[in-house]
Amino acid sequence: EDKVVQSPLSLVVHEGDTVTLNCSYEVTNFRSLLWYKQEKKAPTFLFMLTSSGIEKKSGRLSSILDKKELFSILNITATQTGDSAIYLCAWTGANSKLTFGKGITLSVRP
Amino acid sequence: DVKVTQSSRYLVKRTGEKVFLECVQDMDHENMFWYRQDPGLGLRLIYFSYDVKMKEKGDIPEGYSVSREKKERFSLILESASTNQTSMYLCASSRTGNNDYGYTFGSGTRLTIV
Repeated sequence: EDKVVQSPLSLVVHEGDTVTLNCSYEVTNFRSLLWYKQEKKAPTFLFMLTSSGIEKKSGRLSSILDKKELFSILNITATQTGDSAIYLCAWTGANSKLTFGKGITLSVRP
Repeated sequence: DVKVTQSSRYLVKRTGEKVFLECVQDMDHENMFWYRQDPGLGLRLIYFSYDVKMKEKGDIPEGYSVSREKKERFSLILESASTNQTSMYLCASSRTGNNDYGYTFGSGTRLTIV
C-alpha cells in the first residue's frame, strides 16, 4: 500500500532557528513530490521535486529529494513567526493523482 | 492571477439533506480534485476527474458523488448528508503533464452538518 509519512508531527521553535521537516514515501509509479504550506485557508505551493539530489530554493526555504532513500526534506532557515503553518508533503504518480501525508504543524515563537 | 473558486466559504446543512459544493477554475486545467481535511488525518482525496464527464474514485468516496459537465466546473455532491461529513472541503486543479507550479487549491468550504 502506498504511503507518505511526515515527521515530526509537530514542532515548536524560536525565531531565528533553522528547522528541517521530513517526508518519507513508499509508493509505486512515483513521478514527483510536492511541498505545500497551509495557514488558515488553502495550501499554497512551495516546491515540486522530480529529480534526485537537485536542491530547490526560494528565499529562506529549500528542499531536496533523495529517490534512492525515498525521502525529501524541507529546510527553513532564520525562521520567523510568519512561518508558523502546517507543512504538507504530497506525491504524484503517472495518473496525476496527488496524495498527501498528514502534515507537520510548525509553531515559531517570538 | 490563476484561480480556483469554491462557491461557499461556510455552509451549514441538516442531516439527510442533499448538499452541492461547487468548484470553478479559470486556468483551462484538465484535472480537478476534491479533498476533505480533518485534524490529524491530513487531506484525503474523495474524487478526481481527468476530463469532462470523467471521474475516478479517490481514497474515501463513500457517501459522495461528483459531476463534471464542463471543463471548468467540478461539483461534489453529498447524497444524504451525515454528521461525519462535517469537515473542510478543498477543491484543486492541475494541468496534465509536467507542471512546475503544482496544483492550485481553492480557499475551501467549511461544511457543518447538524
